[in-house]
Amino acid sequence: QVQLVESGGGLVKPGGSLRLSCAASGFTFSDYYMSWIRQAPGKGLEWVSYISSSGSTIYYADSVKGRFTISRDNAKNSLYLQMNSLRAEDTAVYYCANTPTLWAAFDAFDIWGQGTMVTVSS
Amino acid sequence: QSALTQPASVSGSPGQSITISCTGTSSDVGSYNLVSWYQQHPGKAPKLMIYEVSKRPSGVSNRFSGSKSGNTASLTISGLQAEDEADYYCCSYAGSVVFGGGTKLTVL
Repeated sequence: QVQLVESGGGLVKPGGSLRLSCAASGFTFSDYYMSWIRQAPGKGLEWVSYISSSGSTIYYADSVKGRFTISRDNAKNSLYLQMNSLRAEDTAVYYCANTPTLWAAFDAFDIWGQGTMVTVSS
Repeated sequence: QSALTQPASVSGSPGQSITISCTGTSSDVGSYNLVSWYQQHPGKAPKLMIYEVSKRPSGVSNRFSGSKSGNTASLTISGLQAEDEADYYCCSYAGSVVFGGGTKLTVL
């Protein structure tokens, strides 16, 4: 079955780092664009970052540019988000989601993982 | 970019129809047919309900429909059912991606 499973969340101090992973199964990972989207507690959705199917094209939200790095390993069917210089405002559930390459690059987010919670607090 | 504007809440009785609006600008909703809608139940991940303004992914009920006029997109749910009670988010391409603030749908 088509599935995305995030991991790597946890409690980290301000200024610290964390690496999130997203394991894909049930579909051809390299046929999909991938994104990270987050949701602060009790708040709405915020797009964080996008990576093309080959990994050659990457975009970030202004709020994380220069601090977060998205990457993927198509051989391992995995997506990653390296988060550095974390701030309290980065506290959120982080979701990975896919977009079929048959659609436009920023068309919509088809399948979502269950999310992993990141808490930035001293 | 600024978030898209959605009503904070809407409500309807079982069997009725409701519409949730999503207002953007000529730089996002008005310029691209890349508007999508997501349903989110408490504690769950969002689920794609509509993409490219009015297309339904496989498995989504035809009670859900989408449209767009100018800078405003809309999600209509007909024949309201109890399980439709959830938060709904619109999303548009705008050079990057922008979401609406979300609308809580209550089924009375």
